[in-house]
Amino acid sequence: DSGVTQTPKHLITATGQRVTLRCSPRSGDLSVYWYQQSLDQGLQFLIQYYNGEERAKGNILERFSAQQFPDLHSELNLSSLELGDSALYFCASSVAGLGAGEQFFGPGTRLTVL
Amino acid sequence: GESVGLHLPTLSVQEGDNSIINCAYSNSASDYFIWYKQESGKGPQFIIDIRSNMDKRQGQRVTVLLNKTVKHLSLQIAATQPGDSAVYFCAENIRLPSHTGNQFYFGTGTSLTVIP
Repeated sequence: DSGVTQTPKHLITATGQRVTLRCSPRSGDLSVYWYQQSLDQGLQFLIQYYNGEERAKGNILERFSAQQFPDLHSELNLSSLELGDSALYFCASSVAGLGAGEQFFGPGTRLTVL
Repeated sequence: GESVGLHLPTLSVQEGDNSIINCAYSNSASDYFIWYKQESGKGPQFIIDIRSNMDKRQGQRVTVLLNKTVKHLSLQIAATQPGDSAVYFCAENIRLPSHTGNQFYFGTGTSLTVIP
């Protein structure tokens, strides 16, 4: 158990819909990262937040957005869903904001878009 | 995005043998590298990391080697055990002046199977 929690574990929805994925980092970790893992593209970095502020952006679509709240939990919002958005979405946390450091991954949310 | 590639998508080794998993990276600005292990149905798990000012780092049964000249990273697992069967990813953190955070790029992964 990494100490990072993600909800829900599974999510099934239809194209065009909007969903919210939730992540609670390890106690004391200020950084939250979101990743998408699909069969054809591997693990893709989406976005990083540190202490409530966006710090780095990766391959995140404009239909996707995220935020980190004052209690440090984070939400990833996916809208206008397409079949290709079906994937595992992982959240990870770390102490550091810059300078890397070990990331601890949650168990993931499996999103299926029908 | 940046390219982090693995030479071998699958690797099978006998229990007790040593395993070597290779990774090529493309960006000279990468200053930090991590190896992750991902078991079926679970999130990636940190194994070992190395900074670009080092050539080698050892952990418990694992060693990471970094060759910056040819942009190559390897993970060596000593005395491989059945519990080591998993997908292994290398990841690089690219540090650019414009970055205020960490941008990690992952390889596609190598599937390691340990034969009892």
